[in-house]
Amino acid sequence: GQNIDQPTEMTATEGAIVQINCTYQTSGFNGLFWYQQHAGEAPTFLSYNVLDGLEEKGRFSSFLSRSKGYSYLLLKELQMKDSASYLCAVRDGHNDMRFGAGTRLTVKP
Amino acid sequence: KAGVTQTPRYLIKTRGQQVTLSCSPISGHRSVSWYQQTPGQGLQFLFEYFSETQRNKGNFPGRFSGRQFSNSRSEMNVSTLELGDSALYLCASSLDTNQPQHFGDGTRLSIL
Repeated sequence: GQNIDQPTEMTATEGAIVQINCTYQTSGFNGLFWYQQHAGEAPTFLSYNVLDGLEEKGRFSSFLSRSKGYSYLLLKELQMKDSASYLCAVRDGHNDMRFGAGTRLTVKP
Repeated sequence: KAGVTQTPRYLIKTRGQQVTLSCSPISGHRSVSWYQQTPGQGLQFLFEYFSETQRNKGNFPGRFSGRQFSNSRSEMNVSTLELGDSALYLCASSLDTNQPQHFGDGTRLSIL
């Protein structure tokens, strides 16, 4: 079967760094996306990886290892507004988008 | 630039009815995808349209259908509604298939 796995919940402290992991098993691979979704709102795009390595965008970075079926999202200098769900999504070999269940991050003062 | 617009925002229907949801993508975006989001199942892919053609379809019954018009606007239809169809239906548009998707605020459908 096809799986996208990520932790259900994480808690971190304001100003700290947090890493949210995502592992995937899909039929083929055409890219991995990270989205942020605040409660009651639509998901917003954070990052896209199609080649191995690290993509940095401000306080957010995303890493991909295709051979390991693994990605992580790194959030630095955490702010209270970063409390949200973070969704890992893979576009598989059929170009279907498959989403993980999401990781609910709580940032505490 | 206007974002993705979905109408209506909220809808209440009863079992057996049918419903049509609408999505207007960001100007210039030709790819439109639809998703169902529920607390138990998360975001699940329904289908994707590009230039009026269905490119991909998720694992949903035939009661779920869609179409895309020449102006890239898309509609999704669900027939013979069931209680389990209660969910947030999200539309996302992108320039092309492998480009980042931008989501609308969704239509919250409740089936009584």
